[in-house]
Amino acid sequence: QVQLQESGPGLVKPSQTLSLTCTVSGGSISSGGYYWSWIRQQPGKGLEWIGYMYFSGNTFYNPSLKSRVTISIDTSKTQFSLKVSSVTAADTAIYYCARFGSGRYWFDPWGQGTLVTVSS
Amino acid sequence: DIQMTQSPSSLSASVGDRVTITCRASQSITSYLNWYQQKPGKAPKLLIYAASSLQSGVPSRFSGSGFGTDFTLTISSLQPEDFATYYCQQSYSGVTFGQGTRLEIK
Repeated sequence: QVQLQESGPGLVKPSQTLSLTCTVSGGSISSGGYYWSWIRQQPGKGLEWIGYMYFSGNTFYNPSLKSRVTISIDTSKTQFSLKVSSVTAADTAIYYCARFGSGRYWFDPWGQGTLVTVSS
Repeated sequence: DIQMTQSPSSLSASVGDRVTITCRASQSITSYLNWYQQKPGKAPKLLIYAASSLQSGVPSRFSGSGFGTDFTLTISSLQPEDFATYYCQQSYSGVTFGQGTRLEIK
């Protein structure tokens, strides 16, 4: 079964770029049928969709974050990545990667999440 | 943007109780509505997809209903492991989550 695991720095300085990677095991990113997604959760808050990408390159972002976010896929490494530029304390959150079905329209499975703190 | 509003925001109940959580969309989303359960320190887990379909492995005490703008998640008989936060999520246009409903032990 497909499993996802986030990785990346746990601390990022304000104004810098946050970079995370999600490694997919038990399945192929390039087999099609799914969008590869990022979702975040600020401490004690609800869930916020960041965006997702199809292996072919089609990408969709949350309009509220679109100007600062880039999602990319490395099919050779079965990984996909998230970059958030010009971060502030408001970007402190647990970041989850998840699989979103094309034609299925729900998130499953999810990675365990990784906490990123923005602080100097 | 489609807004999702859950009610109540928090709920206290006892083991064995029947519990209903409501999710309302700001416009029709037909049946593009999913429910997730999140326990402290864990990732959300899919419970119900397409408004009323039970995800594989999820106990049958969980059920979902609704169409258009109004949806419900029902737990027929609360078990100790059900105390968690529940989120609805629409995928009709983009993706939006509800603000969550925290289910606590009375």
